[in-house]
Amino acid sequence: GDSVTQMEGPVTLSEEAFLTINCTYTATGYPSLFWYVQYPGEGLQLLLKATKADDKGSNKGFEATYRKETTSFHLEKGSVQVSDSAVYFCALSGAGGYQKVTFGTGTKLQVIP
Amino acid sequence: ETGVTQSPTHLIKTRGQQVTLRCSSQSGHNTVSWYQQALGQGPQFIFQYYREEENGRGNFPPRFSGLQFPNYSSELNVNALELDDSALYLCASSPGGLAGGPLGNEQFFGPGTRLTVL
Repeated sequence: GDSVTQMEGPVTLSEEAFLTINCTYTATGYPSLFWYVQYPGEGLQLLLKATKADDKGSNKGFEATYRKETTSFHLEKGSVQVSDSAVYFCALSGAGGYQKVTFGTGTKLQVIP
Repeated sequence: ETGVTQSPTHLIKTRGQQVTLRCSSQSGHNTVSWYQQALGQGPQFIFQYYREEENGRGNFPPRFSGLQFPNYSSELNVNALELDDSALYLCASSPGGLAGGPLGNEQFFGPGTRLTVL
């Protein structure tokens, strides 16, 4: 079945540091890929998405590129802020008959001033 | 445009009881999915409803059941509650379409219901 593997946290960075959170996936066909963010005490918010190979999703300075050859969708940001502190989930939605989203276990990011 | 809403926000039950959680989908969305997120874990798919019919189910026992109404709102029912059912329950809606596609695959999440089973 479908699965998502993302790097374990927590990740602690200083403000303005470069962020990479690795994510790889296993799926049949051509899934859509997502990054969701969850702030403390809140539900999930879609951060960015990519629906086909070589697509780059971007939002709020975050980027991720759909790499089919390496089955990866790594999240990057050039300069993190304290307000980026949250849990980040990599996820995929298969191209099958129903739209189940499969999530990774999440990576907690803490940005310190 | 109103987003996905869920009620109640928090709920405390005791082992063996039954609970009903509610979700209103985003306007124009005909597909609702439910997820269970245990503390420190990623959300796990429970089931999905499309046009009032169950359209897929994850690895959850039959005591987890659901309904979707003609206005596409939905309920999640859990019978015979167990301590391990304590979690954040998330509802997500999407525009639907059986074959997915870029719009069909994107799900919009509600804020969740925090269930505590004592």
